Amino acid sequence: AQSVSQHNHHVILSEAASLELGCNYSYGGTVNLFWYVQYPGQHLQLLLKYFSGDPLVKGIKGFEAEFIKSKFSFNLRKPSVQWSDTAEYFCAAPLGNRDDKIIFGKGTRLHILP
Amino acid sequence: ETGVTQSPTHLIKTRGQQVTLRCSSQSGHNTVSWYQQALGQGPQFIFQYYREEENGRGNFPPRFSGLQFPNYSSELNVNALELDDSALYLCASSRGGGTGELFFGEGSRLTVL
Repeated sequence: AQSVSQHNHHVILSEAASLELGCNYSYGGTVNLFWYVQYPGQHLQLLLKYFSGDPLVKGIKGFEAEFIKSKFSFNLRKPSVQWSDTAEYFCAAPLGNRDDKIIFGKGTRLHILP
Repeated sequence: ETGVTQSPTHLIKTRGQQVTLRCSSQSGHNTVSWYQQALGQGPQFIFQYYREEENGRGNFPPRFSGLQFPNYSSELNVNALELDDSALYLCASSRGGGTGELFFGEGSRLTVL
């Protein structure tokens, strides 16, 4: 079965700092990976996704993630964070190949200081 | 706004009772997934319904059951409630086909006393 793990549970940064949130996956088949975000008081929503092709994936609001197969990683990055990026971030993957049954990591709570 | 609506938003039950949570999926979506999110944890996959049939289940006991209706709305039923069932229950709809893009509702927060 697919699984994902997130290294950092709580991250605090100042505005304009660079961000990298770690995610590792384990799976034996075709790899599809996602990052979801939950802003305070809002519903969970898709930030970006990787299916195949270019391992550097760009998402909304300036976020990007890099799929590194040799490291089983899919880390989320942003060069310069804003206060509005304060949210909880979840790495996710399907249970099976091309599956909408998505499993989530435990999440990283990101707090940006103004 | 995702178009996925859940009800009720909050409810309090006592141990041993039964609860039904409801979800209306986004227009055009035929797949509904249910998740349990405990405090400080990521969403845990309960089960998924596709065209009114259960289409996969996570590691949850049989007292967690569900339904999907012809209009693709769905219910989650939990019998014999336990204190550990206290959590935010999330419904997500999708088009199916493995896109991985889920559209979530705001959730139903269940407290079991």
